[in-house]
Amino acid sequence: IAGITQAPTSQILAAGRRMTLRCTQDMRHNAMYWYRQDLGLGLRLIHYSNTAGTTGKGEVPDGYSVSRANTDDFPLTLASAVPSQTSVYFCASTSNGGIQYFGAGTRLSVL
Amino acid sequence: GQNIDQPTEMTATEGAIVQINCTYQTSGFNGLFWYQQHAGEAPTFLSYNVLDGLEEKGRFSSFLSRSKGYSYLLLKELQMKDSASYLCAVSRITGGGNKLTFGTGTQLKVEL
Repeated sequence: IAGITQAPTSQILAAGRRMTLRCTQDMRHNAMYWYRQDLGLGLRLIHYSNTAGTTGKGEVPDGYSVSRANTDDFPLTLASAVPSQTSVYFCASTSNGGIQYFGAGTRLSVL
Repeated sequence: GQNIDQPTEMTATEGAIVQINCTYQTSGFNGLFWYQQHAGEAPTFLSYNVLDGLEEKGRFSSFLSRSKGYSYLLLKELQMKDSASYLCAVSRITGGGNKLTFGTGTQLKVEL
């Protein structure tokens, strides 16, 4: 079934630990995005990639890094997690700036 | 910067009609999206407007006025399953490509 897969579904992480959230899409979309969603703040863009090999910073990039080695994968890394990074993380993809399709999300708790 | 405003909560009755408003201020406007998000799930696409006017899709319609920076989502014949958060998102063309900026969402509760 075509779509976006995120892993893990949820994770509890100790502060200071490194964590990579995985995102894979099989729709051959050129652009991919990482958002975080917090109560009362809505979805906020962390990082994006318009094509394989390129990445850019969104609204809230600090503490996060991404890579885009190929079209399908767009992992998000927290180098040293802090409690303020507790959130729900959504990966999305789109073809040529059209409809963004979202993965099911990763619920991350940093203690 | 961008500013997107939509009501935080709305309540409506099953079978009724509800209109969810969204106002925005932005540069490089390239369209407006509405997404539906049920609790604990991912946002799913509902509608897209790039030109002024009404787009109708079954029980859902969306309207856009670019000059007024205004959109609404109209839900007809409300069903209990329509209880969800509705997200207004503005598409902008930036130096880094096409981006979506989301409002904080309107939580709709459908009651019997």
